[in-house]
Amino acid sequence: DAKTTQPNSMESNEEEPVHLPCNHSTISGTDYIHWYRQLPSQGPEYVIHGLTSNVNNRMASLAIAEDRKSSTLILHRATLRDAAVYYCILRDVGWLSGGSNYKLTFGKGTLLTVNP
Amino acid sequence: DAGVTQSPTHLIKTRGQQVTLRCSPKSGHDTVSWYQQALGQGPQFIFQYYEEEERQRGNFPDRFSGHQFPNYSSELNVNALLLGDSALYLCASSFNTGGNYGYTFGSGTRLTVV
Repeated sequence: DAKTTQPNSMESNEEEPVHLPCNHSTISGTDYIHWYRQLPSQGPEYVIHGLTSNVNNRMASLAIAEDRKSSTLILHRATLRDAAVYYCILRDVGWLSGGSNYKLTFGKGTLLTVNP
Repeated sequence: DAGVTQSPTHLIKTRGQQVTLRCSPKSGHDTVSWYQQALGQGPQFIFQYYEEEERQRGNFPDRFSGHQFPNYSSELNVNALLLGDSALYLCASSFNTGGNYGYTFGSGTRLTVV
């Protein structure tokens, strides 16, 4: 599985933007970049994904480097509810033989603390 | 629209016993995956079910087995429980559409083996 590298922890203030970095220098051409977050006592929650172009949704923005070897998850205005562990994951775009989806391989992620 | 439902939410078992955990996928999803999350670690992939067959398996022993039913719901069975099996067990469902889609996770079952 292609690997990602994230800082262990980051800290932000409420209502300020947060930029969470992820390095994935061994990414292949068929890997999507997925971000999930896990709030305390909950299962992971899908945040956003992209392949080559920058992506925006109601939760966040994803900025992908031109060479795709790194990406940044952007929370435009952090709230206390955004405090969570954020996981950057590479996931192959295709199907495995037998017709199943590629699994998610989680690292330890980045623990985001948001200060009031 | 109900998301992924897991039961029970908490469970305490004795070493050597067997346990069954249950998962109902999000409406319309046809693929179910199971993950084990130890304290302070990211989730680790156990296996994935599609069309009632195990399609992928992570590095887990045969004591871990599963099943998917025609309504896409799934069970995770663990035999001969060890203390090290204590963890949060997560179920995730998805459409079988390859990488261009996210997984939906349940809140998990917290298993404690004593």
